[in-house]
Amino acid sequence: RKEVEQDPGPFNVPEGATVAFNCTYSNSASQSFFWYRQDCRKEPKLLMSVYSSGNEDGRFTAQLNRASQYISLLIRDSKLSDSATYLCVVNKGGGADGLTFGKGTHLIIQP
Amino acid sequence: DGGITQSPKYLFRKEGQNVTLSCEQNLNHDAMYWYRQDPGQGLRLIYYSQIVNDFQKGDIAEGYSVSREKKESFPLTVTSAQKNPTAFYLCASSIQGARVGNQPQHFGDGTRLSIL
Repeated sequence: RKEVEQDPGPFNVPEGATVAFNCTYSNSASQSFFWYRQDCRKEPKLLMSVYSSGNEDGRFTAQLNRASQYISLLIRDSKLSDSATYLCVVNKGGGADGLTFGKGTHLIIQP
Repeated sequence: DGGITQSPKYLFRKEGQNVTLSCEQNLNHDAMYWYRQDPGQGLRLIYYSQIVNDFQKGDIAEGYSVSREKKESFPLTVTSAQKNPTAFYLCASSIQGARVGNQPQHFGDGTRLSIL
């Protein structure tokens, strides 16, 4: 199993729809989880941290399922500007340093 | 405005040359990182530093070197020993966590390095 695995997409979604995607991680000792957004040929930008109890930031909701080792991102009322690649990021955990980045899920919002 | 500044934005290197990529931050972050991203790939950690005058190898350190003489600055040198240097290089910083990776990292806007 890869350390962090995401469906690369692309997900083509009509504007205004709700879209969700998951990310699985292999290390049960991981403790920190993040979603980043990366626009084409730009740097990743932190979208939100993911907390154990789940958390919401406007139209975005992140959830963590430790038992099944996945995190999810849900986007409600999608906007054209939500088109981007969404990176799942997990700390290595278990005493190892660093973050592991998924390859990203490409989302395209269509008018 | 606080942030991370990388320069140059685009860099071209002849084979056999060393080049140095600049990264400066004014966020007062203790920890700094260098990643490379290849097309269709996730970010891979080259080197990181948790404190001035100390740094650690990441997953792909071969052919690279760094220094951390000042808190604000973490330059990366791509040496001639790096056989496939063409990539998008990203510098990041974060506040210090109990372990590296516990805190979210904030990125500069990157340097694209190409071989002539």
